[in-house]
Amino acid sequence: EPEVTQTPSHQVTQMGQEVILRCVPISNHLYFYWYRQILGQKVEFLVSFYNNEISEKSEIFDDQFSVERPDGSNFTLKIRSTKLEDSAMYFCASSRQQSTDTQYFGPGTRLTVL
Amino acid sequence: GENVEQHPSTLSVQEGDSAVIKCTYSDSASNYFPWYKQELGKRPQLIIDIRSNVGEKKDQRIAVTLNKTAKHFSLHITETQPEDSAVYFCAASIRNNNNDMRFGAGTRLTVKP
Repeated sequence: EPEVTQTPSHQVTQMGQEVILRCVPISNHLYFYWYRQILGQKVEFLVSFYNNEISEKSEIFDDQFSVERPDGSNFTLKIRSTKLEDSAMYFCASSRQQSTDTQYFGPGTRLTVL
Repeated sequence: GENVEQHPSTLSVQEGDSAVIKCTYSDSASNYFPWYKQELGKRPQLIIDIRSNVGEKKDQRIAVTLNKTAKHFSLHITETQPEDSAVYFCAASIRNNNNDMRFGAGTRLTVKP
């Protein structure tokens, strides 16, 4: 069964550095998402992406964040200048269509900002 | 935007007992309500979902009920087993605009053998 994959599984970075988190959504899915989960807390919506553009973003998704689909398979989240409070698990998700199937989550990337 | 409240935050039951987790939502336009199970260190996985044209849905030991008037929905797990132990999240979104799914704070369910 196809799954969403994410790399790396764990990223350690220094405060102020840029990081890029990578995701490969399920191949026939058209809608892509990023979520954040700070340790022990709930899953928080960051951004959704469809047809090569952001369709919605939350208040968390400020100018430090950007997303891109650089090719036909990858979906990336970039954090330009990481802060300590960006330390969290970042989940990518995809769904086949907006009005039908649910969102399937990747295994997550644990980002640690030192 | 949508605000989802979830209770209780922790729940401990004996194996074989039932567990009920409740969520409320604020946006009356929300019409899709999935439930995710997250085991420690793993990704959230969908266990059941319900759409607003249905009041109840059941899948083996798991059921979800929805009360649109009161804007609340609940997860029911019967005959609980130790492997049901996990964190459960409810969520709500506007199905025709499924771009902003809001999650509840989660319930840590512990099933004691």
